[in-house]
Amino acid sequence: QQPVQSPQAVILREGEDAVINCSSSKALYSVHWYRQKHGEAPVFLMILLKGGEQMRHEKISASFNEKKQQSSLYLTASQLSYSGTYFCGTEERNTSGTYKYIFGTGTRLKVLA
Amino acid sequence: DAGVIQSPRHEVTEMGQEVTLRCKPISGHDYLFWYRQTMMRGLELLIYFNNNVPIDDSGMPEDRFSAKMPNASFSTLKIQPSEPRDSAVYFCASSRGGARNRPQHFGDGTRLSIL
Repeated sequence: QQPVQSPQAVILREGEDAVINCSSSKALYSVHWYRQKHGEAPVFLMILLKGGEQMRHEKISASFNEKKQQSSLYLTASQLSYSGTYFCGTEERNTSGTYKYIFGTGTRLKVLA
Repeated sequence: DAGVIQSPRHEVTEMGQEVTLRCKPISGHDYLFWYRQTMMRGLELLIYFNNNVPIDDSGMPEDRFSAKMPNASFSTLKIQPSEPRDSAVYFCASSRGGARNRPQHFGDGTRLSIL
């Protein structure tokens, strides 16, 4: 039930680009993206609230395709500081009308000098 | 502004002991979340509160786990009795408004080791 992220891991050289995908088997209402550095807490990057929406955080952008139930994170001209594990987070509605928040499987990204 | 504060940062205890993790959310935030992170299962939502009321606890693994939020500035997650498989990093997060359209702010986590 966890959203599946791909790739599981990626190694880049500084200045290279990368794309991280997040796919869900269930309808998506919103998607969050977080980055977690080793030994630290996840840090919020951005939220996408509706299909087709695109957001940007510095040189990191994201898109949300509601129809395909997926979101993609685009890292442009990667910097050493981009290294970490990236998580997407999605919302799953319960039959009671409440929701629970579920994080994806994670993508480990390493940027080399 | 102070962020989410968790204590202790590290806890090592023997199997069968009671463990209590503490969290102080950011002032003014009305949602509080407890997560558990392991290599095998990733980041799992255990329970969340809205205005101190538990809304969804379907992620709590079993009756050994309990969580309370007696007021807007304090929450506890208790494990009794603890087992080695409970070893993990436990994060507390808070948000102003529901998590759907508001960022969650995470504490530094409690690294729990059950021997």
